[in-house]
Amino acid sequence: DAMVIQNPRYQVTQFGKPVTLSCSQTLNHNVMYWYQQKSSQAPKLLFHYYDKDFNNEADTPDNFQSRRPNTSFCFLDIRSPGLGDTAMYLCATGAFFGQGTRLTVV
Amino acid sequence: GQQVMQIPQYQHVQEGEDFTTYCNSSTTLSNIQWYKQRPGGHPVFLIQLVKSGEVKKQKRLTFQFGEAKKNSSLHITATQTTDVGTYFCAVYNQGGKLIFGQGTELSVKP
Repeated sequence: DAMVIQNPRYQVTQFGKPVTLSCSQTLNHNVMYWYQQKSSQAPKLLFHYYDKDFNNEADTPDNFQSRRPNTSFCFLDIRSPGLGDTAMYLCATGAFFGQGTRLTVV
Repeated sequence: GQQVMQIPQYQHVQEGEDFTTYCNSSTTLSNIQWYKQRPGGHPVFLIQLVKSGEVKKQKRLTFQFGEAKKNSSLHITATQTTDVGTYFCAVYNQGGKLIFGQGTELSVKP
């Protein structure tokens, strides 16, 4: 059974139209991460939670926000997506990754 | 912050040949993880190394952690087409963040 679940698997959004990606975990881990992975690149850390303590990387664009209402769920909000935000978005807890959401901005 | 350099970036091998990818750090690492990502897939955890000089095996995969805990390697013996993918090393930095190396993309020619 999947331990980290991301929805949707694929998302197409228009330039500038807000989009929210979701992640849930059944492991009850305190730690959750959001990564952005562009084609042929390594995952790049966007946000890091330890419980509700939140930390965004210095170079995470202001356009990206994250929410963690409880231990199990985490959301990534992109307020005004640009073409350069087309990427795979990966959620992880500890060593376990979700299947990712492949976001295309058109 | 904590960084690891991973080489090579790409490796093309004939099926049956061996493959090795290396990760190096300028600072001592507390541990290192290895992941495999198939084309179109997500990173899948393979192993964590913690002890100096540690060697662990998973079937045809051999993982090593250097004596100084500044480098690590993943070696695949007799590659198969199912080994195709990108192999990443990753480390936890002092802030508890998991940071990835650049990855080595392995292609296997049947």
